[in-house]
Amino acid sequence: DAKTTQPPSMDCAEGRAANLPCNHSTISGNEYVYWYRQIHSQGPQYIIHGLKNNETNEMASLIITEDRKSSTLILPHATLRDTAVYYCIVKGRGNTPLVFGKGTRLSVIA
Amino acid sequence: DAGVIQSPRHEVTEMGQEVTLRCKPISGHNSLFWYRQTMMRGLELLIYFNNNVPIDDSGMPEDRFSAKMPNASFSTLKIQPSEPRDSAVYFCASSLMGSGNTEAFFGQGTRLTVV
Repeated sequence: DAKTTQPPSMDCAEGRAANLPCNHSTISGNEYVYWYRQIHSQGPQYIIHGLKNNETNEMASLIITEDRKSSTLILPHATLRDTAVYYCIVKGRGNTPLVFGKGTRLSVIA
Repeated sequence: DAGVIQSPRHEVTEMGQEVTLRCKPISGHNSLFWYRQTMMRGLELLIYFNNNVPIDDSGMPEDRFSAKMPNASFSTLKIQPSEPRDSAVYFCASSLMGSGNTEAFFGQGTRLTVV
């Protein structure tokens, strides 16, 4: 079973920041937080991951609370092409597989 | 690299027929994962391989499902006999196993329809 809780859906205005929350209160010390997204009919796409420090790449920023029980994915300037289902996943080290929950369906509105 | 390549992209078959889905992982990757996605159950892990060896097949729904990885560049998922409830999108993903955490790359999926 997925170890995360996400809201089923969110809306965001185009050009604004999209902040997607995730709760993972049972995360253990050696588990990472991963974010993937799935645009309609495509395979899931990696966005970002982190352990305890905040992370940023060209796609997004990941903010992890100090107690690591929750995190927020931030898309700084959402576009219509960011409309997708976003999955927050807690994963152990190494090549343990990704276990997907239901994710958050983000709709970016013009 | 062309990414993870799955074939066919679409498959329509009659109930009772054998179906074979194919996956070519990214060159150099040594872990391979098969997932199934339906509206009702979402994305489910079926089986995964490390260095061509099946590690966990507990997600394979029934004995009708089997998966093989004869070499590092090819894997198959076979359903025999197929049933309408097997209709889904099947995804293959690959990653590089190592000491750190690396991302998994997904193919575009095979949409299977069993009529």
